[in-house]
Amino acid sequence: DVKVTQSSRYLVKRTGEKVFLECVQDMDHENMFWYRQDPGLGLRLIYFSYDVKMKEKGDIPEGYSVSREKKERFSLILESASTNQTSMYLCASSPLVGVFDTEAFFGQGTRLTVV
Amino acid sequence: AQSVAQPEDQVNVAEGNPLTVKCTYSVSGNPYLFWYVQYPNRGLQFLLKYITGDNLVKGSYGFEAEFNKSQTSFHLKKPSALVSDSALYFCAVRGYGGSQGNLIFGKGTKLSVKP
Repeated sequence: DVKVTQSSRYLVKRTGEKVFLECVQDMDHENMFWYRQDPGLGLRLIYFSYDVKMKEKGDIPEGYSVSREKKERFSLILESASTNQTSMYLCASSPLVGVFDTEAFFGQGTRLTVV
Repeated sequence: AQSVAQPEDQVNVAEGNPLTVKCTYSVSGNPYLFWYVQYPNRGLQFLLKYITGDNLVKGSYGFEAEFNKSQTSFHLKKPSALVSDSALYFCAVRGYGGSQGNLIFGKGTKLSVKP
């Protein structure tokens, strides 16, 4: 089974802190994604990466950055956490070959609360 | 631009009755469509996908979906609902262009199955 593992299920951070959300996948997938999920808004893409050290902005990149130093690991960074970044964060991965007809695999999510 | 619409925020069904969760899509090329389910405080689990071929797609947990090109719809169905089917359901379409096949999600439909 494909495993996408997010390092934390729940996080509580203070305003202004630098926050790291980690995601690791074990299927040698090229593509990795970070989404943010909010009630009534569905999932929105923050950043994605299709290769090591490569990154592309998604729909809502402001206030976030990412790092992909190794193929299996994709980190989301909140440079200075704010209360409006309180949300559920979901990591996903998918292969590059057959990217269009292959489903993405999701981690269990990290529920971040910024106080 | 690609988009997905789930017109119902919530669907209520009695256990044993058939259920339908609606989804319509808009894409600039061939549609690659997916359904995911999310249980409370968990990540997304893949249910089924339409890539090509038969318009009726069968998936996990007894779910199926009907692809209708003329109506640009991809409704999720199940002949007999279970209480355990209560969850949040997301329809998604594969994006085109520079996003390496990013999934574009609808806002989600909450399914509530009552005993």
